[in-house]
Amino acid sequence: DGGITQSPKYLFRKEGQNVTLSCEQNLNHDAMYWYRQDPGQGLRLIYYSQIVNDFQKGDIAEGYSVSREKKESFPLTVTSAQKNPTAFYLCASKGQGRSPLHFGNGTRLTVT
Amino acid sequence: QQQVKQSPQSLIVQKGGISIINCAYENTAFDYFPWYQQFPGKGPALLIAIRPDVSEKKEGRFTISFNKSAKQFSLHIMDSQPGDSATYFCAAIEDAGGTSYGKLTFGQGTILTVHP
Repeated sequence: DGGITQSPKYLFRKEGQNVTLSCEQNLNHDAMYWYRQDPGQGLRLIYYSQIVNDFQKGDIAEGYSVSREKKESFPLTVTSAQKNPTAFYLCASKGQGRSPLHFGNGTRLTVT
Repeated sequence: QQQVKQSPQSLIVQKGGISIINCAYENTAFDYFPWYQQFPGKGPALLIAIRPDVSEKKEGRFTISFNKSAKQFSLHIMDSQPGDSATYFCAAIEDAGGTSYGKLTFGQGTILTVHP
């Protein structure tokens, strides 16, 4: 059953700590994405990667970092430099051309 | 300009009514327009998509209307049901000859509530 797995579903951290969100896909997609979702603000792109060992900043990359060592995996680290990290984080992958994004079910991060 | 403007922000419809969500864009290079449906606590899922060489696409109760000259497209949900209550996002992508992956530009989302 192909899809995108994000873990954990809920994550709680203390302010000042880095935290890594996991995203794994078995759709054999080259491109992977991280979005942040806040109420009333839609989906904002954090980082994306179109090939292993390469990634680009999205619209709100400050305070985040990623790696793409394997095609299947695209973990996102929320660093202590991210000023407002509490949000719902969505990972997605995509095939070439006019194909849709496939989303995972998200990780809700709460930082206190 | 990579913006996609979506309206309304929220919509309340009675069961059996028609729900209409509108989106407008500026980038004429966009040539693929998907709509996503998101239930609380879940990731968005593709609902229906259209290319700009088609003026309308229908899948069951869901229809996309596309007006290329006006750079607008809309989602119509006929016979709306309480189970359609969700957040809906329009999106647009620029396709460079079918080999690029690109990145979708999303609208801000519409929270649809269908009352029984």
